Amino acid sequence: KAGVTQTPRYLIKTRGQQVTLSCSPISGHRSVSWYQQTPGQGLQFLFEYFSETQRNKGNFPGRFSGRQFSNSRSEMNVSTLELGDSALYLCASAEQTRIPGNTIYFGEGSWLTVV
Amino acid sequence: DAKTTQPTSMDCAEGRAANLPCNHSTISGNEYVYWYRQIHSQGPQYIIHGLKNNETNEMASLIITEDRKSSTLILPHATLRDTAVYYCIVRFHNFGNEKLTFGTGTRLTIIP
Repeated sequence: KAGVTQTPRYLIKTRGQQVTLSCSPISGHRSVSWYQQTPGQGLQFLFEYFSETQRNKGNFPGRFSGRQFSNSRSEMNVSTLELGDSALYLCASAEQTRIPGNTIYFGEGSWLTVV
Repeated sequence: DAKTTQPTSMDCAEGRAANLPCNHSTISGNEYVYWYRQIHSQGPQYIIHGLKNNETNEMASLIITEDRKSSTLILPHATLRDTAVYYCIVRFHNFGNEKLTFGTGTRLTIIP
C-alpha cells in the first residue's frame, strides 16, 4: 500500500501570496489531518477532516483552511502568507474505526518558505 | 489527552539497547501510549502503541508499568539510523478524535 503522499515537497512563496498544499491519504483511510511544524512551536495540530467535513480544529487563524474531497484527498490553503508561516506542513491519515487504538500515519511533509 | 514528560536528549552506543523513558502520571484508563520518531524533519514515523500490556513489533518494544504512569520504549540493537527525535504521546481514542498532541520529545543520538 502506498503511504501518505504530499505535494509539493518544497515551495517558496512571497509574503501576501497564498498557497495550496495537497495530500493523498493511504488507500481506505477516510480521516485526514494537517499539522504545522516550526522550530519555535514544534508540531501543532491544524485541523482534521472526515467525510468532507472538518471535524476538529486547532488554534490557528482563519487564514488557514482546508477541505476534503469525496475520494478522501485533502488540500490545505494558507492565504495572505506571513514570514512566520514558513514551516513544514504535515498531513496524516487514519483508518476510521470504532475500535480504539488505531494508528495515524504521516506523510513526508511540504516545506514552505515565505520570503 | 494526558501530558507526557520525556528527557530532552539521550545518547546510546551503536549496537546497544536504547531505552527511552516517558512519564504520563495523569493517564486515564482509556488512553493509549503512542510512540513516533522523526528523522531529519521528515514526517513522523509510527513506531508502536499500547494500552496496558507490553507490546513488541519489528521495530521496538513498549514496556508500560502496571500503574500505567510511565512507559519505556526499547530499541533492542540501536543503529546510526535510529538517531532521531522520539515522541511519546498519550491519546484518548474515541470515534472522531484523530488528533495527536506532540510534546518536545527526546533527541536520541546513536554514537558509533
